[in-house]
Amino acid sequence: AQSVTQLGSHVSVSEGALVLLRCNYSSSVPPYLFWYVQYPNQGLQLLLKYTTGATLVKGINGFEAEFKKSETSFHLTKPSAHMSDAAEYFCAVRELAGGTSYGKLTFGQGTILTVHP
Amino acid sequence: KAGVTQTPRYLIKTRGQQVTLSCSPISGHRSVSWYQQTPGQGLQFLFEYFSETQRNKGNFPGRFSGRQFSNSRSEMNVSTLELGDSALYLCASSLGLAVYEQYFGPGTRLTVT
Repeated sequence: AQSVTQLGSHVSVSEGALVLLRCNYSSSVPPYLFWYVQYPNQGLQLLLKYTTGATLVKGINGFEAEFKKSETSFHLTKPSAHMSDAAEYFCAVRELAGGTSYGKLTFGQGTILTVHP
Repeated sequence: KAGVTQTPRYLIKTRGQQVTLSCSPISGHRSVSWYQQTPGQGLQFLFEYFSETQRNKGNFPGRFSGRQFSNSRSEMNVSTLELGDSALYLCASSLGLAVYEQYFGPGTRLTVT
Protein backbone atom coordinates (compact mmCIF):
# COMPACT_ATOMS: atom_id res chain seq x y z
CA ALA A 1 0.00 0.00 0.00
CA GLN A 2 1.12 3.48 -0.73
CA SER A 3 1.74 5.94 2.07
CA VAL A 4 2.39 9.65 2.42
CA THR A 5 4.40 11.37 5.12
CA GLN A 6 4.26 15.08 5.72
CA LEU A 7 7.17 16.27 7.83
CA GLY A 8 6.01 18.77 10.41
CA SER A 9 2.41 18.99 11.54
CA HIS A 10 2.82 22.75 12.10
CA VAL A 11 4.91 25.23 10.13
CA SER A 12 5.13 28.89 11.04
CA VAL A 13 6.54 31.60 8.76
CA SER A 14 6.57 35.37 8.60
CA GLU A 15 4.67 37.20 5.92
CA GLY A 16 6.93 37.52 2.88
CA ALA A 17 9.10 34.56 3.84
CA LEU A 18 9.59 31.34 1.90
CA VAL A 19 7.04 28.60 2.48
CA LEU A 20 8.33 25.01 2.35
CA LEU A 21 6.02 22.12 3.19
CA ARG A 22 7.55 18.68 2.97
CA CYS A 23 5.98 15.53 1.57
CA ASN A 24 7.48 12.10 1.03
CA TYR A 25 5.66 9.13 -0.40
CA SER A 26 6.17 5.44 -0.79
CA SER A 27 5.16 3.79 -4.02
CA SER A 28 6.26 0.84 -6.09
CA VAL A 29 5.00 2.39 -9.30
CA PRO A 30 5.12 5.93 -10.70
CA PRO A 31 2.69 7.88 -8.56
CA TYR A 32 0.26 10.63 -9.24
CA LEU A 33 0.76 13.32 -6.62
CA PHE A 34 -1.37 16.19 -5.41
CA TRP A 35 -1.39 19.05 -2.95
CA TYR A 36 -4.67 20.25 -1.48
CA VAL A 37 -5.43 23.15 0.86
CA GLN A 38 -8.20 23.26 3.42
CA TYR A 39 -9.46 26.44 5.05
CA PRO A 40 -11.46 26.20 8.28
CA ASN A 41 -14.90 24.69 7.86
CA GLN A 42 -14.37 24.09 4.17
CA GLY A 43 -13.59 21.22 1.86
CA LEU A 44 -10.30 20.60 0.08
CA GLN A 45 -9.14 22.78 -2.76
CA LEU A 46 -6.72 21.42 -5.34
CA LEU A 47 -3.49 23.44 -5.45
CA LEU A 48 -1.53 21.46 -8.00
CA LYS A 49 -0.90 18.00 -9.37
CA TYR A 50 1.85 15.88 -10.88
CA THR A 51 0.99 13.05 -13.24
CA THR A 52 3.66 12.80 -15.91
CA GLY A 53 6.06 15.10 -17.74
CA ALA A 54 7.70 18.14 -16.20
CA THR A 55 8.73 17.48 -12.63
CA LEU A 56 8.29 21.10 -11.54
CA VAL A 57 4.60 21.86 -11.45
CA LYS A 58 2.99 25.20 -10.83
CA GLY A 59 -0.31 25.62 -9.12
CA ILE A 60 -2.68 28.29 -7.98
CA ASN A 61 -1.90 31.16 -5.61
CA GLY A 62 1.82 31.12 -6.47
CA PHE A 63 2.52 27.62 -5.16
CA GLU A 64 4.71 25.11 -6.91
CA ALA A 65 6.06 21.65 -6.20
CA GLU A 66 8.85 19.51 -7.54
CA PHE A 67 8.62 15.77 -8.04
CA LYS A 68 11.93 14.10 -7.16
CA LYS A 69 11.76 10.40 -7.89
CA SER A 70 15.17 9.64 -6.39
CA GLU A 71 14.11 11.20 -3.10
CA THR A 72 10.47 10.07 -3.30
CA SER A 73 9.52 13.63 -2.45
CA PHE A 74 7.00 16.21 -3.60
CA HIS A 75 7.66 19.31 -1.51
CA LEU A 76 5.42 22.36 -1.81
CA THR A 77 6.94 25.83 -1.96
CA LYS A 78 5.92 29.45 -2.30
CA PRO A 79 8.53 32.22 -2.53
CA SER A 80 6.65 34.75 -0.43
CA ALA A 81 4.00 33.90 2.14
CA HIS A 82 0.82 35.89 2.44
CA MET A 83 -1.52 36.06 5.39
CA SER A 84 -4.20 34.44 3.28
CA ASP A 85 -2.03 31.31 2.91
CA ALA A 86 -2.73 30.33 6.51
CA ALA A 87 -4.55 27.00 6.26
CA GLU A 88 -3.98 23.26 6.44
CA TYR A 89 -2.20 21.61 3.54
CA PHE A 90 -2.47 18.00 2.49
CA CYS A 91 -0.23 15.98 0.23
CA ALA A 92 -1.90 13.03 -1.49
CA VAL A 93 -0.98 10.16 -3.77
CA ARG A 94 -3.39 8.51 -6.12
CA GLU A 95 -3.34 4.76 -6.25
CA LEU A 96 -4.32 2.89 -9.35
CA ALA A 97 -6.49 -0.10 -8.59
CA GLY A 98 -6.07 -3.20 -10.70
CA GLY A 99 -4.42 -1.42 -13.61
CA THR A 100 -7.44 0.76 -14.26
CA SER A 101 -7.66 4.47 -13.95
CA TYR A 102 -9.78 4.22 -10.86
CA GLY A 103 -8.37 4.51 -7.46
CA LYS A 104 -8.34 6.36 -4.21
CA LEU A 105 -6.39 9.23 -2.76
CA THR A 106 -4.12 8.44 0.15
CA PHE A 107 -3.44 11.55 2.20
CA GLY A 108 -0.71 12.67 4.50
CA GLN A 109 -1.63 13.82 7.98
CA GLY A 110 -1.62 17.46 6.98
CA THR A 111 0.51 20.49 7.82
CA ILE A 112 -0.99 23.56 9.42
CA LEU A 113 0.64 26.69 8.06
CA THR A 114 0.62 29.79 10.24
CA VAL A 115 1.69 33.12 8.76
CA HIS A 116 2.79 35.87 11.13
CA PRO A 117 2.61 39.55 10.17
CA LYS B 1 -19.73 25.69 -13.53
CA ALA B 2 -21.09 24.81 -10.11
CA GLY B 3 -18.84 22.87 -7.78
CA VAL B 4 -19.53 19.74 -5.78
CA THR B 5 -22.47 20.20 -3.46
CA GLN B 6 -23.19 18.23 -0.33
CA THR B 7 -26.30 18.16 1.78
CA PRO B 8 -26.89 18.63 4.58
CA ARG B 9 -23.90 20.66 5.74
CA TYR B 10 -24.43 19.88 9.40
CA LEU B 11 -26.16 16.98 11.07
CA ILE B 12 -26.64 15.85 14.64
CA LYS B 13 -27.72 12.29 15.28
CA THR B 14 -28.07 10.00 18.25
CA ARG B 15 -26.08 6.82 18.71
CA GLY B 16 -27.87 3.87 17.11
CA GLN B 17 -29.64 5.95 14.46
CA GLN B 18 -28.84 5.88 10.78
CA VAL B 19 -27.99 8.76 8.46
CA THR B 20 -27.92 9.43 4.73
CA LEU B 21 -25.64 12.04 3.19
CA SER B 22 -26.00 13.34 -0.34
CA CYS B 23 -23.49 14.51 -2.93
CA SER B 24 -24.02 16.13 -6.31
CA PRO B 25 -20.89 16.09 -8.46
CA ILE B 26 -19.72 18.73 -10.88
CA SER B 27 -21.75 18.59 -14.06
CA GLY B 28 -20.24 16.04 -16.44
CA HIS B 29 -18.27 14.25 -13.73
CA ARG B 30 -19.05 10.56 -13.51
CA SER B 31 -16.85 9.47 -10.62
CA VAL B 32 -17.67 10.16 -6.99
CA SER B 33 -15.52 9.31 -4.00
CA TRP B 34 -16.24 9.64 -0.30
CA TYR B 35 -13.78 10.36 2.49
CA GLN B 36 -14.02 10.61 6.25
CA GLN B 37 -11.99 13.27 8.04
CA THR B 38 -11.35 13.13 11.79
CA PRO B 39 -8.70 14.80 13.96
CA GLY B 40 -7.29 11.44 15.03
CA GLN B 41 -7.32 9.46 11.79
CA GLY B 42 -7.06 12.25 9.24
CA LEU B 43 -8.53 11.75 5.79
CA GLN B 44 -9.56 8.19 5.04
CA PHE B 45 -11.05 6.79 1.86
CA LEU B 46 -14.49 5.25 2.12
CA PHE B 47 -15.48 4.26 -1.41
CA GLU B 48 -15.52 5.32 -5.03
CA TYR B 49 -18.30 5.03 -7.59
CA PHE B 50 -18.22 5.28 -11.35
CA SER B 51 -21.19 4.67 -13.63
CA GLU B 52 -23.32 3.50 -10.72
CA THR B 53 -20.82 0.80 -9.76
CA GLN B 54 -18.62 0.72 -6.69
CA ARG B 55 -15.06 0.55 -8.02
CA ASN B 56 -13.07 0.70 -4.84
CA LYS B 57 -13.74 0.41 -1.13
CA GLY B 58 -11.78 1.48 1.91
CA ASN B 59 -11.34 -0.32 5.19
CA PHE B 60 -14.59 0.59 6.91
CA PRO B 61 -17.21 -1.67 8.49
CA GLY B 62 -20.30 -2.74 6.60
CA ARG B 63 -22.34 -0.10 8.41
CA PHE B 64 -20.97 2.31 5.83
CA SER B 65 -22.54 1.95 2.43
CA GLY B 66 -23.11 4.04 -0.63
CA ARG B 67 -24.65 4.17 -4.04
CA GLN B 68 -24.59 6.22 -7.19
CA PHE B 69 -27.51 7.12 -9.37
CA SER B 70 -27.75 7.36 -13.15
CA ASN B 71 -27.26 11.15 -12.96
CA SER B 72 -23.99 10.55 -11.05
CA ARG B 73 -25.37 11.89 -7.79
CA SER B 74 -24.31 9.80 -4.85
CA GLU B 75 -25.47 9.01 -1.37
CA MET B 76 -23.73 7.39 1.53
CA ASN B 77 -25.46 5.77 4.44
CA VAL B 78 -24.23 4.97 7.90
CA SER B 79 -26.37 2.65 9.97
CA THR B 80 -26.28 2.07 13.72
CA LEU B 81 -24.29 5.20 14.37
CA GLU B 82 -21.49 5.15 16.90
CA LEU B 83 -19.86 8.06 18.69
CA GLY B 84 -16.71 7.45 16.65
CA ASP B 85 -18.59 8.16 13.44
CA SER B 86 -18.56 11.85 14.28
CA ALA B 87 -16.53 13.38 11.47
CA LEU B 88 -16.48 15.58 8.43
CA TYR B 89 -17.60 13.53 5.44
CA LEU B 90 -16.21 14.78 2.17
CA CYS B 91 -17.39 13.96 -1.29
CA ALA B 92 -15.14 14.39 -4.32
CA SER B 93 -15.90 14.15 -8.00
CA SER B 94 -13.79 13.65 -11.08
CA LEU B 95 -14.44 13.17 -14.76
CA GLY B 96 -13.53 9.55 -14.28
CA LEU B 97 -11.50 7.39 -16.57
CA ALA B 98 -8.00 8.73 -17.30
CA VAL B 99 -8.54 11.93 -15.32
CA TYR B 100 -6.91 11.93 -11.94
CA GLU B 101 -7.72 15.09 -10.03
CA GLN B 102 -10.63 15.06 -7.65
CA TYR B 103 -12.64 18.11 -6.69
CA PHE B 104 -14.05 18.24 -3.21
CA GLY B 105 -17.30 19.51 -1.81
CA PRO B 106 -17.58 21.49 1.45
CA GLY B 107 -18.39 18.38 3.44
CA THR B 108 -21.11 17.29 5.84
CA ARG B 109 -20.26 17.69 9.52
CA LEU B 110 -21.85 14.76 11.36
CA THR B 111 -22.02 14.81 15.13
CA VAL B 112 -23.18 11.67 16.95
CA THR B 113 -24.33 12.14 20.54
